[in-house]
Amino acid sequence: GEDVEQSLFLSVREGDSSVINCTYTDSSSTYLYWYKQEPGAGLQLLTYIFSNMDMKQDQRLTVLLNKKDKHLSLRIADTQTGDSAIYFCAEIFNAGNMLTFGGGTRLMVKP
Amino acid sequence: SAVISQKPSRDICQRGTSLTIQCQVDSQVTMMFWYRQQPGQSLTLIATANQGSEATYESGFVIDKFPISRPNLTFSTLTVSNMSPEDSSIYLCSALGLAGAPPGELFFGEGSRLTVL
Repeated sequence: GEDVEQSLFLSVREGDSSVINCTYTDSSSTYLYWYKQEPGAGLQLLTYIFSNMDMKQDQRLTVLLNKKDKHLSLRIADTQTGDSAIYFCAEIFNAGNMLTFGGGTRLMVKP
Repeated sequence: SAVISQKPSRDICQRGTSLTIQCQVDSQVTMMFWYRQQPGQSLTLIATANQGSEATYESGFVIDKFPISRPNLTFSTLTVSNMSPEDSSIYLCSALGLAGAPPGELFFGEGSRLTVL
C-alpha cells in the first residue's frame, strides 16, 4: 500500500532555514501537500505541488519534488518562532479523494 | 476557506460509555471524513461520511464501534461506542470539495480530545 515517511523532529534557530523531508512510495501520486498543525489545532493546508512540477515557491516556502527518488521537501526561509508546529506531508492518487499522511515532523524553533 | 466546528472540544469519559462528536461545516462540501490522531502519531482515517447512506470504513474500523451519520452536506456525527482507555485520542472531522479550493485541500476542525478513564 501507499507509504509516506518523514523524520520525527527538527530543531533550528530563529532566522535559519528549515528543511523538512518526506519520502513516498506510490509513483502515481498526482498531488503532494504540506499541512501544518499548530498546538491544539486541526491541520491547515500550507502548500501543495502538482506531480508534473519540480519546484514551487510561495513567499518563505519552497517545495521541491524529485519524482525519480520519490522525495518531497519543504524549505522554510528565515524560520520564525511562530513556525514551530508539526508539519505533515500528504499525497493523493489518480482521481482519488483519499489523502495519505506521513507521520509528521515536529519543528522546534529556538530564539 | 471553510470553517469546521466540532464539539465537544474535549471530554473525559468513563470506560464502557459512548460519546457522540458533532461536526458542522459552514459551507456545502462534497466529502466529509473522520480521522483519529493518537498522541504523537499521524492521522488515521476512520471513515468517509456519506450523505444519506452508510459510512465507508477503513480497515480496522467498524460501524458498531464508530457509528457515523451525515444527514446533509454540512453536518456529521461520529460516535465512539463502549469506550476503553485505548480510545483516548483526538478525533478530527475534515471536509473536502469546497468550491474554489485547491484539489485535495482538506479543511479540518480543531479536534475533539477524548480521555477515557
